[in-house]
Amino acid sequence: LAKTTQPISMDSYEGQEVNITCSHNNIATNDYITWYQQFPSQGPRFIIQGYKTKVTNEVASLFIPADRKSSTLSLPRVSLSDTAVYYCLVGDGQAGTALIFGKGTTLSVSS
Amino acid sequence: GAVVSQHPSWVICKSGTSVKIECRSLDFQATTMFWYRQFPKQSLMLMATSNEGSKATYEQGVEKDKFLINHASLTLSTLTVTSAHPEDSSFYICSAIQGTNEKLFFGSGTQLSVL
Repeated sequence: LAKTTQPISMDSYEGQEVNITCSHNNIATNDYITWYQQFPSQGPRFIIQGYKTKVTNEVASLFIPADRKSSTLSLPRVSLSDTAVYYCLVGDGQAGTALIFGKGTTLSVSS
Repeated sequence: GAVVSQHPSWVICKSGTSVKIECRSLDFQATTMFWYRQFPKQSLMLMATSNEGSKATYEQGVEKDKFLINHASLTLSTLTVTSAHPEDSSFYICSAIQGTNEKLFFGSGTQLSVL
């Protein structure tokens, strides 16, 4: 299972763009990259998933370079409610294979 | 996205009693579900993988006789903490995979407090 490394914490202000980078040097050919958001005392919430290049949805963008050894979650114009822990996970695409959580990045957004 | 319902959200019990936590996939069939445990300010730790109709696969260090997992149908998995003790107090979270591209959907979690 690929291991991921993220910054432990990040600080930002409302309205700014936040980019959280995740390293996954041992990512396998079949691995997808998925990001989750977790608020205290809640289960993680799916944010975005990608395999290569760029993926965008209504809440975030995911940038994946050609070598796929890292990925960057981009949150445009963050608000106070984006204060949470963000996890980057990689998986081999096989149903039944568990995803292992790293330590995650605690994002604190201030006014 | 897919919905995973977990119940109860909070439970307090006396030491030595057993507690059952239910995890249901409401709008999709989940052949595989996962159970995680999370201590305060820590990441999620995988406890076991639950496969419908077969025995669960436990991670190293997780006591299978203490944490009983049953996955009797494609939409329901249960975790029973048997003879709970204060050190079992934790936040338990279930999840299920929709499809085959590792997109996990999580329940809202169960906070277990053992007195």
